[in-house]
Amino acid sequence: DAKTTQPPSMDCAEGRAANLPCNHSTISGNEYVYWYRQIHSQGPQYIIHGLKNNETNEMASLIITEDRKSSTLILPHATLRDTAVYYCIGLALPNTGNQFYFGTGTSLTVIP
Amino acid sequence: GAVVSQHPSRVICKSGTSVKIECRSLDFQATTMFWYRQFPKQSLMLMATSNEGSKATYEQGVEKDKFLINHASLTLSTLTVTSAHPEDSSFYICSALPVRDTQYFGPGTRLTVL
Repeated sequence: DAKTTQPPSMDCAEGRAANLPCNHSTISGNEYVYWYRQIHSQGPQYIIHGLKNNETNEMASLIITEDRKSSTLILPHATLRDTAVYYCIGLALPNTGNQFYFGTGTSLTVIP
Repeated sequence: GAVVSQHPSRVICKSGTSVKIECRSLDFQATTMFWYRQFPKQSLMLMATSNEGSKATYEQGVEKDKFLINHASLTLSTLTVTSAHPEDSSFYICSALPVRDTQYFGPGTRLTVL
């Protein structure tokens, strides 16, 4: 599975878009990019995932570069409740066990 | 949908005792569940993969005799921390994997060993 790198922390003003980058330069052709977030002292929450096309759901949008070496998670209108640690994970499907290996993630602070 | 529960949410025990943590998938079946551990200000660390009806697969460095995992049904996996010591104090999180879907995580169990 691809190693991912993310900035350790970011700030975003409430109501503005939060753009969280993730580098996954070693990603292979069958690896999906998953995004989860963890609010303090809770279990991680699934946000979105994609392979090569951009994806959008009710929570966020995922923009994957054409070479698939990086991606950006976009929270269109950040709220205080979006303050959390955001994890980008590469996972090959199908694979032997679907294990997630979490990196250090990005701690997003939404500022009033 | 895709709700995972854990019980208990918090547990305090004395050193040397054993503690059992339950992980349940409430509205789906999961042949595979995962157990993670998270120390303060650190990321989640995968401990083991639990497959229903078979032995768990442990990550390198995780003692299988200390962290006993049982996955007896498609909706329940348990993690037992045997002979717990203060260094086992941590946040334990499980996840469950529905067929053709992604992992859904439980709310976590805070273990404090005195």
